[in-house]
Amino acid sequence: DADVTQTPRNRITKTGKRIMLECSQTKGHDRMYWYRQDPGLGLRLIYYSFDVKDINKGEISDGYSVSRQAQAKFSLSLESAIPNQTALYFCATSETGTGKTDTQYFGPGTRLTVL
Amino acid sequence: AQSVTQLGSHVSVSEGALVLLRCNYSSSVPPYLFWYVQYPNQGLQLLLKYTSAATLVKGINDFEAEFKKSETSFHLTKPSAHMSDAAEYFCAVRAYSSASKIIFGSGTRLSIRP
Repeated sequence: DADVTQTPRNRITKTGKRIMLECSQTKGHDRMYWYRQDPGLGLRLIYYSFDVKDINKGEISDGYSVSRQAQAKFSLSLESAIPNQTALYFCATSETGTGKTDTQYFGPGTRLTVL
Repeated sequence: AQSVTQLGSHVSVSEGALVLLRCNYSSSVPPYLFWYVQYPNQGLQLLLKYTSAATLVKGINDFEAEFKKSETSFHLTKPSAHMSDAAEYFCAVRAYSSASKIIFGSGTRLSIRP
């Protein structure tokens, strides 16, 4: 079984709809991240969480919110989806500890299309 | 602020040929640098990382990268390309403001010709 899972894997929605992307991990890592990937732009950090009570904005958090329901679960919400949020979304995790936080483990991604 | 620039959004090589993917970094402090690979329809996985020890870093699948401070470069190489190397490759740098924040380059798609 995959260590980092994302649901759904693909989603098509309409402008103005609320949508939630979910991420679960069995790696036991404290730190979790949400990125979006756009062609030619690489990955950009949306939100990150160091533990259940510690959530931080990344470089492109506008229009997004997150919830860390448990150590293993980190959800990303789009309250009112817009077409320029069409992208590939990745969840990632990392350990806490010297030298361990550098390596992030990625889920398979969610392809979101907003019409 | 740290950043990385990948030169060439698409590189195509013949099977068996040398692979060279270029990355230059900008950092006001000694950087931690990474190469990640994304195979089709998969998430990213770490290929190798430089953390100020040896300047030549070896990774998985015979990839290696050399840190050159004088050139602010961290190019990725593989002596002989294999069809299975076709993927997108991302150079990245750790943000000095937070050990957990990684800044990714725009990516280079590697194609392998038979």
